[in-house]
Amino acid sequence: DAKTTQPNSMESNEEEPVHLPCNHSTISGTDYIHWYRQLPSQGPEYVIHGLTSNVNNRMASLAIAEDRKSSTLILHRATLRDAAVYYCILIKNGANSKLTFGKGITLSVRP
Amino acid sequence: DSGVTQTPKHLITATGQRVTLRCSPRSGDLSVYWYQQSLDQGLQFLIQYYNGEERAKGNILERFSAQQFPDLHSELNLSSLELGDSALYFCASSPRLAGYNEQFFGPGTRLTVL
Repeated sequence: DAKTTQPNSMESNEEEPVHLPCNHSTISGTDYIHWYRQLPSQGPEYVIHGLTSNVNNRMASLAIAEDRKSSTLILHRATLRDAAVYYCILIKNGANSKLTFGKGITLSVRP
Repeated sequence: DSGVTQTPKHLITATGQRVTLRCSPRSGDLSVYWYQQSLDQGLQFLIQYYNGEERAKGNILERFSAQQFPDLHSELNLSSLELGDSALYFCASSPRLAGYNEQFFGPGTRLTVL
């Protein structure tokens, strides 16, 4: 599986935008870019995914570089509830769609 | 609420024992995944079932086994338990096998082996 690289931690202020980076230089053409997050004491939660184009949903936006070797998860207005570990994961489109979690980014949000 | 249910929520048992964790996927989801989360190993994929058949295996010990039943619920059996098996066990489900499908996670079962 292609690997992703994320910083260990980031801090943000409440109500400000947050940009969480992810590098995936060995991504293949059939790899989808997924983001999940895990709030304290909860199971992981799907945030967003994309293949080539930028994507928006009610939770976040995903900006994908033109060469697909990096992506950025954008939280438009961070809230205290967004404090979590964010995982960037590559998933091949095929019979085996398991998630391979790395260490993720621990996002802290200051009031 | 993801729609995925897991029972029990907590389980405390002794070394050498056997336990069964149960997962009910979201209505209509055919694929079930099991993950283990421990402090030292992080979140790790264990095994995947799709419509009753095993589709992928990850870092699952031989002492562990799983199955998916005709009603699509799944059970993870852990036997000859060791202290190191203490962890959170998550079940997730998704509609199909496609890589663009999101996975919906249950609340987890916290297993403590004493």
